[in-house]
Amino acid sequence: DVKVTQSSRYLVKRTGEKVFLECVQDMDHENMFWYRQDPGLGLRLIYFSYDVKMKEKGDIPEGYSVSREKKERFSLILESASTNQTSMYLCASSPTDRTSYGYTFGSGTRLTVV
Amino acid sequence: SQQGEEDPQALSIQEGENATMNCSYKTSINNLQWYRQNSGRGLVHLILIRSNEREKHSGRLRVTLDTSKKSSSLLITASRAADTASYFCATGGNTPLVFGKGTRLSVIA
Repeated sequence: DVKVTQSSRYLVKRTGEKVFLECVQDMDHENMFWYRQDPGLGLRLIYFSYDVKMKEKGDIPEGYSVSREKKERFSLILESASTNQTSMYLCASSPTDRTSYGYTFGSGTRLTVV
Repeated sequence: SQQGEEDPQALSIQEGENATMNCSYKTSINNLQWYRQNSGRGLVHLILIRSNEREKHSGRLRVTLDTSKKSSSLLITASRAADTASYFCATGGNTPLVFGKGTRLSVIA
């Protein structure tokens, strides 16, 4: 069964910490995405990548960075965690053909910054 | 930038009834997709309809697309308690998907 795996389901971090959220897919997908989901705001795109070592800013990249050193892994980094980054983080991947296939999502990481 | 907008925000029906959710969007699209999210979990892709298609079926799901009205609907027939979830439409194609805020469906046994 193909899947996207996010390293943690729940995470609690302190303000100012550097936080790494890991995402690994086993489908040989070129495209990977990071969204955050907040009540009343829906899903918002943070960063995405269409190839190894490539990254593009989404709608809300401030306070985040990403790394994609290998095709299967896309990491989201919170440089200095703040309480307004408390959220559900969702990683997704899709094949090269972006017009014919949907996204496969991980189970999400619920991050709490205290 | 929020593209899709689902309606209603919440829907409660009895088991066995049909559930209809609507999605409106603003700009031209390549395709429109529907996803389901069970509480506290990731999203699951349900169905994709291309801009040149008007209707698509998958099991108990029926999706329609009207590009002239920039709207889509998702019909779930003979609903079950297990259909209880949030449903999202998403638009995209060559750019990353943009999701609506979702419809929360409750199916009461």
